[in-house]
Amino acid sequence: DTGVSQNPRHKITKRGQNVTFRCDPISEHNRLYWYRQTLGQGPEFLTYFQNEAQLEKSRLLSDRFSAERPKGSFSTLEIQRTEQGDSAMYLCASSWTTSGANVLTFGAGSRLTVL
Amino acid sequence: AQRVTQPEKLLSVFKGAPVELKCNYSYSGSPELFWYVQYSRQRLQLLLRHISRESIKGFTADLNKGETSFHLKKPFAQEEDSAMYYCALRNTGNQFYFGTGTSLTVIP
Repeated sequence: DTGVSQNPRHKITKRGQNVTFRCDPISEHNRLYWYRQTLGQGPEFLTYFQNEAQLEKSRLLSDRFSAERPKGSFSTLEIQRTEQGDSAMYLCASSWTTSGANVLTFGAGSRLTVL
Repeated sequence: AQRVTQPEKLLSVFKGAPVELKCNYSYSGSPELFWYVQYSRQRLQLLLRHISRESIKGFTADLNKGETSFHLKKPFAQEEDSAMYYCALRNTGNQFYFGTGTSLTVIP
């Protein structure tokens, strides 16, 4: 297991285009989280899944953002009609919810630049 | 609502000096607190969590519920400790909230 994998690592797009990021969590982890991080800020919670169910969405997540985890394994985060304010690092993390083990393991992130 | 505050964006100490990175939180429930670290060109990784009550790489942190603080301490800083440090809180809904981070530089 190589840990949490995110693709692509870097995406440059023009304003108005759609982008999709993929996250492959650690295989036995049942929870998957998406965060956004901008310069000088800590990771901001976007949404999380337990297995295939999306349990919580932040108010930061506008209607242009959608996340899925169709089979409870990998997840995708799609941003439609990108805006320059969407430029950020998108982080994925996963965890396993056994007692005492609910800690986040992060991927390397997908950096989005919207021109 | 929950909030994690790290008042220092930048912190510089000399090698061998003690270091303390401050973290305060607000949460009405019973939180679990963590410190995550990000070394240069590496991903965020867990440093320690309050329920483990262990020392990792010489760092310790004690949860003070009265002061709602979870400060990270190390008695003798090393150059390899230079990194970005984030304090995080997990609420009872299993959401994790992060502070804005403190960039620690250990001067040789």
